Amino acid sequence: GQQVMQIPQYQHVQEGEDFTTYCNSSTTLSNIQWYKQRPGGHPVFLIQLVKSGEVKKQKRLTFQFGEAKKNSSLHITATQTTDVGTYFCAPQETSGSRLTFGEGTQLTVNP
Amino acid sequence: KAGVTQTPRYLIKTRGQQVTLSCSPISGHRSVSWYQQTPGQGLQFLFEYFSETQRNKGNFPGRFSGRQFSNSRSEMNVSTLELGDSALYLCASSPGINYGYTFGSGTRLTVV
Repeated sequence: GQQVMQIPQYQHVQEGEDFTTYCNSSTTLSNIQWYKQRPGGHPVFLIQLVKSGEVKKQKRLTFQFGEAKKNSSLHITATQTTDVGTYFCAPQETSGSRLTFGEGTQLTVNP
Repeated sequence: KAGVTQTPRYLIKTRGQQVTLSCSPISGHRSVSWYQQTPGQGLQFLFEYFSETQRNKGNFPGRFSGRQFSNSRSEMNVSTLELGDSALYLCASSPGINYGYTFGSGTRLTVV
């Protein structure tokens, strides 16, 4: 079955530095979603990637889906304290299959 | 537009008891999924319902069950509670397959 690894588990950065989290699957994916969970909050949907090699941007956030559709990344440029939280990737192996979540990358930003 | 509503927000139960959690999805959303979140295990998928039918099921024991009503509201039940069932239970709804999920604020269950 599908196994997904998300790295790093923790990341501490100074405000203004960049941040990247990676999600790697052992199998080819149908699509992948990304979520952000603030401390004490619930996951909030950020984006969904479907196409091979797809790149999407949301202000300072850049999402990529690998050519082989087995990996994905989320890059934040010039982090801010509002970026603090845990970022989860949520891959789907096939369309309509369960949405599983990676272990998440917990980001802390020092002002 | 109202979000996903989960009740109750907090719950304390004793080992051996059973509990029922409720989730009201966003109006028009027909898919409801349930997740268990613990510090050590992350977000674990419990089950997904679509139009009153269980479409996917996670790897949880039979003590965990759920259902969805014709108005898309969903409930999950945990019987014979164990200490390890203490967790945040999150419900998420979506319009259908291949859409992003909207999560509720969760029910924090503590088993003592």
